[in-house]
Amino acid sequence: QSVLTQPPSVSGAPGQRVTISCTGSNSNIGAGYNVHWYQQFPGSAPKLLIYGNNNRPSGVPDRFSGSKSGTSASLAITGLQAEDEAVYYCQSYDSSLNVFGGGTKLTVL
Amino acid sequence: QVQLQESGPKLVKPSETLSLTCTVSGDFISVHYWSWIRQSPGKGLEWIGSISNSGSISYNPSLKSRVTTSTDSSKNHFSLRLTSVTAADTAVYYCARGSHLSWFDPWGQGTLVTVSS
Repeated sequence: QSVLTQPPSVSGAPGQRVTISCTGSNSNIGAGYNVHWYQQFPGSAPKLLIYGNNNRPSGVPDRFSGSKSGTSASLAITGLQAEDEAVYYCQSYDSSLNVFGGGTKLTVL
Repeated sequence: QVQLQESGPKLVKPSETLSLTCTVSGDFISVHYWSWIRQSPGKGLEWIGSISNSGSISYNPSLKSRVTTSTDSSKNHFSLRLTSVTAADTAVYYCARGSHLSWFDPWGQGTLVTVSS
């Protein structure tokens, strides 16, 4: 079990908006540590999608956004596209170690 | 453009030591923190440890007794050693720029290391 909890899967139709949650606790997200998000395609390395809760690296479309509140964080994807089908991971810090969520498989219907 | 490339044996026998090197291009080892992360087949991501060229090191407590990381600024690369490996250490090993307190970007392409006799 991961310290950060993500739903195993989410789905949406092209053009729709989906959100992926990342639930932590008072020792990680709730303690004020930043949350980062990654996108991973099969056979490829994870790619940074959101850093510092809500910042997009250069080149990441503004369809992707992040937010954080209390002990949870969320990744929102608007205008869903077929190419967004991937696994998404959240990451934060907890008790002297870096922690990842278990990953969420996004299926575009 | 910063690029990272992992290299090392892809097959390691149980109880032996896994050794990997990450060569960095487009950036300098001396400037940032660098990390190792692994992903067991079909599983999620596990942070192994982070190191800076100045010698600041942080390891995952669950692996700390078996892990050693080092940097070589003359070759602009950093390395991972994991001792007494078992089948549970079979994974894709990634190197990445970033520390245990920040995000990781970019990542190497990853290398699958299998522990088997």
